[in-house]
Amino acid sequence: TQLLEQSPQFLSIQEGENLTVYCNSSSVFSSLQWYRQEPGEGPVLLVTVVTGGEVKKLKRLTFQFGDARKDSSLHITAAQPGDTGLYLCAGGDAGKSTFGDGTTLTVKP
Amino acid sequence: DSGVTQTPKHLITATGQRVTLRCSPRSGDLSVYWYQQSLDQGLQFLIHYYNGEERAKGNILERFSAQQFPDLHSELNLSSLELGDSALYFCASNDGMSYNEQFFGPGTRLTVL
Repeated sequence: TQLLEQSPQFLSIQEGENLTVYCNSSSVFSSLQWYRQEPGEGPVLLVTVVTGGEVKKLKRLTFQFGDARKDSSLHITAAQPGDTGLYLCAGGDAGKSTFGDGTTLTVKP
Repeated sequence: DSGVTQTPKHLITATGQRVTLRCSPRSGDLSVYWYQQSLDQGLQFLIHYYNGEERAKGNILERFSAQQFPDLHSELNLSSLELGDSALYFCASNDGMSYNEQFFGPGTRLTVL
């Protein structure tokens, strides 16, 4: 069974601070996705990383895929209250999807 | 708006009952995935259908079943409901080829009393 471990589980910061959250696995994934979910709503896809060592930027968000394709990180620069939410990583293989338990981020104004 | 629709949005029922949740994928998508999300277990993959055929199974109970119809909409049937089945149920869709990227519907909140 492929497992994805996310850390930290909870993160509370002030507006303007930087942060990094992590997604780690003992398994290799062919691709890895990051999603953001707000309470009571479905997850929204942020990015897909495919190549080991790949770095993708989405405005203030920077996503990195580990060289061995087993881990990933999400870095947010100058966090804003609108970044508040549950950040989930997910890996896919053979038609199945595995999601981490997520990092709940709270950005205080 | 992801383009994925789910009905109903809320469902309240009693233990032992049976319910059906419905999902319409984004236009053009052939794959439908079902997930259960509860407070203590995160987002759990249940089952994946591609163009009407079961592609992969996750932690789906025997009391649960699903199918995808020729028009590509999908239904998740939950029977002999227990209190512990109370959760958010999401479906997601994609074209079946795009690196596992999935587009989620708004979910159905099931409450079993």
